[in-house]
Amino acid sequence: DGGITQSPKYLFRKEGQNVTLSCEQNLNHDAMYWYRQDPGQGLRLIYYSQIVNDFQKGDIAEGYSVSREKKESFPLTVTSAQKNPTAFYLCASSMPLGQGPGELFFGEGSRLTVL
Amino acid sequence: QKEVEQNSGPLSVPEGAIASLNCTYSDRGSQSFFWYRQYSGKSPELIMFIYSNGDKEDGRFTAQLNKASQYVSLLIRDSQPSDSATYLCAVNGDRGSTLGRLYFGRGTQLTVWP
Repeated sequence: DGGITQSPKYLFRKEGQNVTLSCEQNLNHDAMYWYRQDPGQGLRLIYYSQIVNDFQKGDIAEGYSVSREKKESFPLTVTSAQKNPTAFYLCASSMPLGQGPGELFFGEGSRLTVL
Repeated sequence: QKEVEQNSGPLSVPEGAIASLNCTYSDRGSQSFFWYRQYSGKSPELIMFIYSNGDKEDGRFTAQLNKASQYVSLLIRDSQPSDSATYLCAVNGDRGSTLGRLYFGRGTQLTVWP
């Protein structure tokens, strides 16, 4: 079955530690995205990548980093510079422009809690 | 920054009623509009998309788009308790660095009571 796999589903981190959230897709989508969701805040874009080896900052990129070395993979690192990292993190992908209406396909999410 | 505003809610309707969810957007150039449903603790799932003015129906769901008023809505007929969730409106970016991006509203929480 095609889809997006995020891991881990739940993660606890001590202050000052970096953590990496995994996102893998087998949908053959070019574009991938990382969103953060806080209660009452909707989805806010952290980083996105339209193609391998290229990515752009979204609206709240400070304290985060990404890489896109493979089409299937788009890991997100939450660094110690992120002041309030406790949130629900969602990875998504989309078909190339012009091949569909442009909807996002989401993974199941990773919930990060800072202790 | 593109703005997507949704009626703040929460919205509470009895089983069998029509639930009406509304969304306005700031960028007149947006072309595609999406409604996602998100159950508590889960990821969003696509319900409908629309890109032409007028109505689009899918089962109990109807999306309505009015580009002149920059307004999109979702009607849920014969609401069921299983429809209780947060509904997210999203619109696409249309040019340059925004192309391909979706911009989300904060969501409207719907409760359908038996």
